[in-house]
Formats: sequence, structure tokens, C-alpha cells
Amino acid sequence: GENVEQHPSTLSVQEGDSAVIKCTYSDSASNYFPWYKQELGKRPQLIIDIRSNVGEKKDQRIAVTLNKTAKHFSLHITETQPEDSAVYFCAAIADTGGFKTIFGAGTRLFVKA
Amino acid sequence: DAGITQSPRYKITETGRQVTLMCHQTWSHSYMFWYRQDLGHGLRLIYYSAAADITDKGEVPDGYVVSRSKTENFPLTLESATRSQTSVYFCASSGSSKETQYFGPGTRLLVL
Repeated sequence: GENVEQHPSTLSVQEGDSAVIKCTYSDSASNYFPWYKQELGKRPQLIIDIRSNVGEKKDQRIAVTLNKTAKHFSLHITETQPEDSAVYFCAAIADTGGFKTIFGAGTRLFVKA
Repeated sequence: DAGITQSPRYKITETGRQVTLMCHQTWSHSYMFWYRQDLGHGLRLIYYSAAADITDKGEVPDGYVVSRSKTENFPLTLESATRSQTSVYFCASSGSSKETQYFGPGTRLLVL
């Protein structure tokens, strides 16, 4: 079946460094790619998203890039802060010929002060 | 976020019992979703609904039933709970299929 592979599963960085999380999807019909942040015991919350007609999007310290040819998209967090520590999920959504949303397994990010 | 609520927040039940998890949203969003979250699997879509009286299966629908008689409510029923259904269940809603999904606070379900 369709899937989304997310790497790495765990990432530890020093405060101020950058963090990059990568996802690869298999369904070529996917056309919307959100990223969610989930703190321990809390609900997932959207931090940034990108649509298939855009290659890159930035919001302050967070950016997402999309390579549709390679079926690959990435989350970039610059100048990391301890409050960025959380689990991050990518997702690939296809809404043509039915609706499918597949999440990656998540990346646990630790930002060390 | 307060616009989407789930109840109960915690539930313990026994194998074979029927359990219904409730989801309510106040935004009049067309789309509503049910996910389960298990370690190592991220979030997996169980069922979704594009509008009242329109529901469809997601990735892992077996053992679950949904209904949507009103736009604001989307209950999820486990007809005969099994231990493998022990999980955290999240409801979500969005205005369209390509808009932000807003998640509820989750329901932690333990099936003994």
C-alpha cells in the first residue's frame, strides 16, 4: 500500500543549530503536505504546509521544501530553541479519486540548551 | 482549538464491549476525521467524512463504525472492542480536503 517514510526517527541538536527532517511518499496523487508538531500528551498542531504547485515555503524559522519528481519533502528548522523539542510528523494527502492521508511515523527532536 | 472536543478523554473497557467515542466541532467544517495513534505508527486514518451522511474508509477501518447525521458530530464506535484497539484516538476537522486539519485533544482507550 501507499506509505510515507520519515527520517530520522530521533534527532538531537544543540540550541541554535538547524534541524532537518525528511519524508518520502509513494502515492503520486498526493498534492498536499502538512507538517505537525506534537508535544508530549498534547494534540498534533499544524506548523507549516505546502501544496504540490509550490517548491518551497517559509514561515520565520521554519521552512518546507518539496521535490515532486523525487516524491520527497523536508522540514527545516533554523536557530532551534528548547521549546522546539517535540515529535514532528509529516503527512501526504491525496484528494483526487478519493481521499487519502498518510502520516510518517514521526521524528522526536531534542534541542539541548 | 477549543472548537473541537472529544469525550470521554479516558476510557477503560473490556474485550467484547461496545464503545463509542464522541467528537464535536463548532466551526461547521465539512470534513471530519478519526485517527488512531500508536507508537511506531504515527497517526493512521480510520474513517473520514466529507459532509453529513457521507463517510468513507481510511487506512485501518476494520472493527470500527462511524456515522454523521449532523455536521458537527462524528462519533466512532468500536462494536466489539479488542486489545489491539488500545490506542489514543484523535478526531480532526477541516474546511476542505486540502486545508489545515485541526485535532481534538484525544481519547486514551485501554481495552483489557
